[in-house]
Formats: sequence, C-alpha cells, structure tokens
Amino acid sequence: DAGVIQSPRHEVTEMGQEVTLRCKPISGHNSLFWYRQTMMRGLELLIYFNNNVPIDDSGMPEDRFSAKMPNASFSTLKIQPSEPRDSAVYFCASRDLNTGELFFGEGSRLTVL
Amino acid sequence: GDSVTQMEGPVTLSEEAFLTINCTYTATGYPSLFWYVQYPGEGLQLLLKATKADDKGSNKGFEATYRKETTSFHLEKGSVQVSDSAVYFCALIQGAQKLVFGQGTRLTINP
Repeated sequence: DAGVIQSPRHEVTEMGQEVTLRCKPISGHNSLFWYRQTMMRGLELLIYFNNNVPIDDSGMPEDRFSAKMPNASFSTLKIQPSEPRDSAVYFCASRDLNTGELFFGEGSRLTVL
Repeated sequence: GDSVTQMEGPVTLSEEAFLTINCTYTATGYPSLFWYVQYPGEGLQLLLKATKADDKGSNKGFEATYRKETTSFHLEKGSVQVSDSAVYFCALIQGAQKLVFGQGTRLTINP
C-alpha cells in the first residue's frame, strides 16, 4: 500500500482565497483524522471521521473550515476564505482499527500571504 | 477527558548518552499507549506501542513500559545517535475514540 496520500504538498495562496486540501487514506482503514501543526500550538486535532461520518469536529477553528469524506477513499479539508493565521502544516491520518495505530501522510504545508 | 503530559523540551544530548523522555497520562479505563516520532519535514510515524499494563514496547533501540500504577509510559534509549534527532510524541487511545497526543518533545543529538 502507498500509505496515506495528501495533496498538495505545498500551497502558497493569498488571503481571502479558497484552499482545498485532499487526502486518500490507506485502503481498509475506516477512521480518518485531520490535524494541524504549528510551532505555536503544536499538533491539533481538527476533525475525525469513522466510516465516513464526522464524529468530532470540535477542533475546527471556525466556520471558515469545513471537511468532508464523501467515500471511504477520499477526504477534503477546505478553508474559505483563508487567512494568514491559517498558515501551518496540515496532516491527514488514517487508522487501523485492529491495532489502533495511526498512519500519517507527509502533510500539506500551507502558506497564506 | 483523557490527556497526555510530556516532558518539556527541547532536550539536547551528546551522542551515546542515555535518553529518557517522560510521559504520563490521565484516562478512564485501559488505554493503549504509543510513541510517535516526527523527523524534520515528515509526518509522524509510529515508533512503538503497548496495549496493556506491564507491556513493553520496543523498536530501534527505544523502549517504553506501560506502568498503570504510575500512569506513565516513559521513553528510553541506552545510547542515542545523531539520527535520533526528531520530535517525539506520546499518545493514547481508547477503543474507537480519537488519539490524544502530548505536546511533543524536541530532541537534538550532537555528535
């Protein structure tokens, strides 16, 4: 398996633009997590899904952020409109329910100017 | 709710030194415990895990023992290398719930 695949790896955009981050989890994993990592706040859980259903979105900063998982092999995290304080590395991870282990993608580094 | 507290970093050691990074947790029930490592520019990857009390997880010379009586899962390595420089995260999970991470400890090993 290729692991968790995220795109884009790097995104530079201007304030006010819409940003869409994409994630393909490992086949057979039925939990998917979106994390944000910054120097100031460390690793923050934004939202997670079990069987494509959002379970806990309490970490989503505000209404500008939204996440979807239309099927078991794809998820998006959207920021509209983006702001400079959204600059961070966004990680997607999927979980093997048998072992509990979380597998992370390589992250999408977002810079909002 | 469940939580994980890690030793504050950054930690700087010389090569071949002994390493301990402390981790304690608060949880109801019997969580599984993990150590994840993040190398520069990469995502987190599992280093080791333990699923029940007194289990010892080990990998790449690192070890951690699940101590229920002290609610701890300290990471240890007898002789660190420059290549061990990374950020280390302690984490726990219960059932189908979300993984709860500590704040991370940055480790730098000098030659």
